[in-house]
Amino acid sequence: DQQVKQNSPSLSVQEGRISILNCDYTNSMFDYFLWYKKYPAEGPTFLISISSIKDKNEDGRFTVFLNKSAKHLSLHIVPSQPGDSAVYFCAAYDNAGKSTFGDGTTLTVKP
Amino acid sequence: EPEVTQTPSHQVTQMGQEVILRCVPISNHLYFYWYRQILGQKVEFLVSFYNNEISEKSEIFDDQFSVERPDGSNFTLKIRSTKLEDSAMYFCAFKSKEKLFFGSGTQLSVL
Repeated sequence: DQQVKQNSPSLSVQEGRISILNCDYTNSMFDYFLWYKKYPAEGPTFLISISSIKDKNEDGRFTVFLNKSAKHLSLHIVPSQPGDSAVYFCAAYDNAGKSTFGDGTTLTVKP
Repeated sequence: EPEVTQTPSHQVTQMGQEVILRCVPISNHLYFYWYRQILGQKVEFLVSFYNNEISEKSEIFDDQFSVERPDGSNFTLKIRSTKLEDSAMYFCAFKSKEKLFFGSGTQLSVL
């Protein structure tokens, strides 16, 4: 049972445009969500988080939206830059500290 | 940004041997985590460690695995008798202000 799903394995956008990465979850016990970026042979890098009491969190070019009723979250990057090209993971945490990652979405931003 | 040092960066071992992976955060924290990523697969949660005790562990974290914080700073993951399928990149992470910071990982190769 895959509790966190990123249904798009890849996404390609033009530089300057908006990138929208999506994530769905099934476990209603998740109360904290994070997005990570990962380059090959490196550890994941924290991008932005959101708790279940909020529906939006913004940090610079990155905005995360949470729709609890739909059990869906999304990451918006605007404007997208070539340096944003990486694999993006969403992760969901329950209050015991256990986390579940999605499979990842490979974002390619073309100059 | 807080740093996490993992050693070694690459470990090659024979099947059945014990390995110890080490993680050293720069500053003192209470929450620690181990994750792994098998080549081509998603990041998987292994274990969370809070206040010197395991707080949560996944199905992957069986009796072959153990974690310790022997001297209050180093955080170790021990695999008692490695199997071929333990080959993966292992990441430690710690939590600070609701963000997770990851180390650069140890690539474990079991032959």
